[in-house]
Amino acid sequence: ETGVTQTPRHLVMGMTNKKSLKCEQHLGHNAMYWYKQSAKKPLELMFVYNFKEQTENNSVPSRFSPECPNSSHLFLHLHTLQPEDSALYLCASSQVGQDNIQYFGAGTRLSVL
Amino acid sequence: GQQLNQSPQSMFIQEGEDVSMNCTSSSIFNTWLWYKQDPGEGPVLLIALYKAGELTSNGRLTAQFGITRKDSFLNISASIPSDVGIYFCAGEASGGGADGLTFGKGTHLIIQP
Repeated sequence: ETGVTQTPRHLVMGMTNKKSLKCEQHLGHNAMYWYKQSAKKPLELMFVYNFKEQTENNSVPSRFSPECPNSSHLFLHLHTLQPEDSALYLCASSQVGQDNIQYFGAGTRLSVL
Repeated sequence: GQQLNQSPQSMFIQEGEDVSMNCTSSSIFNTWLWYKQDPGEGPVLLIALYKAGELTSNGRLTAQFGITRKDSFLNISASIPSDVGIYFCAGEASGGGADGLTFGKGTHLIIQP
């Protein structure tokens, strides 16, 4: 079992749909992150949660709404997305106060039609 | 914002050749990380560097944290087919808090048998 699990692996949605991405980490970490990976662009940090508190929102449009109910789970709620939001969405976790290395899940490949 | 310039963008090499790639930044980072990403997967950590001047090896991989804290390189010796993938450098500017990583655009390594 991998340390960071993301579901679903693939998602196709229309612009009027509402969906959620889920991330679960089994590493006992205290910080979790959402990144967006688009073709030919660097990974872009979207949100950071440290001890379940959102500490960073990297100018992300409000159609992306994160939720972190506990230190092991992170969600990204999606609504009224645009085709340019199609990308690979990656979740990561780390242990702040120790090595703070971020470990990534396999990602959710999102296509917005 | 912070940016990392990673080069080269892609490399076409013969199996058995050595590989070298690097990242530079106009900003100082406290941690440099090198990740590899295979198709359909998330980035996997290869090497982490914490001190300026540090030289660290992981099997056939060697990476160094530049003295100025603004650059890092990754070398792969005697490349093999499974080395194919995209390699990313990433920097962290925080002093150990939950900050996101700044990523380079990646080096796409292609190995011809």
